[in-house]
Amino acid sequence: QKEVEQNSGPLSVPEGAIASLNCTYSDRVSQSFFWYRQYSGKSPELIMSIYSNGDKEDGRFTAQLNKASQYVSLLIRDSQPSDSATYLCAVPYQAGTALIFGKGTTLSVSS
Amino acid sequence: NAGVTQTPKFQVLKTGQSMTLQCAQDMNHNSMYWYRQDPGMGLRLIYYSASEGTTDKGEVPNGYNVSRLNKREFSLRLESAAPSQTSVYFCASSRTRESYNEQFFGPGTRLTVL
Repeated sequence: QKEVEQNSGPLSVPEGAIASLNCTYSDRVSQSFFWYRQYSGKSPELIMSIYSNGDKEDGRFTAQLNKASQYVSLLIRDSQPSDSATYLCAVPYQAGTALIFGKGTTLSVSS
Repeated sequence: NAGVTQTPKFQVLKTGQSMTLQCAQDMNHNSMYWYRQDPGMGLRLIYYSASEGTTDKGEVPNGYNVSRLNKREFSLRLESAAPSQTSVYFCASSRTRESYNEQFFGPGTRLTVL
């Protein structure tokens, strides 16, 4: 059974700072990783996918993957109050036709 | 496009009652999914349908059944509701089975079982 572990938080950062969110996973076979964002009372939405070791940047977001350490992280630069949400890490389920999610990390950005 | 729609938005059941949660998508997606979300537990996959005509169990299928009625609709049935099934239920879809990672979620159904 794959497991995806995340610190539940809350992680609190001031506006303009870098927020670092972490995720570890138990399955060494996992090749791809995904970050979803969920605002309070809303549905999750995909914000980042990463498939290979190293960094992937998209605007203020950077995903970092280290397969040897089974560790994936999401960095949010110049954090804004609008980034306050729960961030869910996800990995492929079984044959890669569905996802399993971590419990999520709640981020709070104060102005 | 409405995207993914779910009905009802809220429901209160008594223990032992049955109900069906409805989900429909108008994006011509092939794959659909049901999740439940409980405080501190993240999203847990109940069942999914990688393509029309197929359904598979997820992480927590016990107490649930599903029907992929057609390409647009994927329903979740609770035959005999239990308080442990109190949760927020999300339906999601993805364009193809290969694009399972990019899922579009409905607004959720908030279910309380007394």
